Amino acid sequence: NAGVTQTPKFQVLKTGQSMTLQCAQDMNHNSMYWYRQDPGMGLRLIYYSASEGTTDKGEVPNGYNVSRLNKREFSLRLESAAPSQTSVYFCASSVDRESPLHFGNGTRLTVT
Amino acid sequence: DAKTTQPNSMESNEEEPVHLPCNHSTISGTDYIHWYRQLPSQGPEYVIHGLTSNVNNRMASLAIAEDRKSSTLILHRATLRDAAVYYCILRDVTYRDDKIIFGKGTRLHILP
Repeated sequence: NAGVTQTPKFQVLKTGQSMTLQCAQDMNHNSMYWYRQDPGMGLRLIYYSASEGTTDKGEVPNGYNVSRLNKREFSLRLESAAPSQTSVYFCASSVDRESPLHFGNGTRLTVT
Repeated sequence: DAKTTQPNSMESNEEEPVHLPCNHSTISGTDYIHWYRQLPSQGPEYVIHGLTSNVNNRMASLAIAEDRKSSTLILHRATLRDAAVYYCILRDVTYRDDKIIFGKGTRLHILP
């Protein structure tokens, strides 16, 4: 099993460009999450999806949109990137609320 | 805001036990206590979780206070590879909102 796969691993954008970060899990998990982590900081929740077809805002949703395409995939879109969105983005999934989170290896995004 | 409080950093000597504390005074009866750790340049990884009773696994032990307002992650014999940021989080298994909030964690330094 691959677990949680994030693509791309690295990305550089110019201010105002758009892009979509992809996340897929092959563990048949119900819940999926997007976090961002700024240098020297903890993880902050952007959006989450408790089940296929539902999405909810986290702590820092402004400037982002998400799509739970199916049970496996949960994408994060930046419509107009800003330098403040320079960060490492982590996707996570969980089979249910009593189970652990499984994280991907992250996408390092730089916005110039 | 994170629902848990942890020291910013701790130090321990290699091959000695480490006790990492976490306060969660507002914990509810349906909150599970989870611990994750993040090695340098990696995504967080699951360590252990529990509800009321102490828990052991191959990585660590989790000691939960009788009133559940605090817990302690115990690494029985620290190695240099245990140097990481350790996060203590709460996850409610019944409430509709599944926001999983991470704080800044405890940065554990292991001295050779």
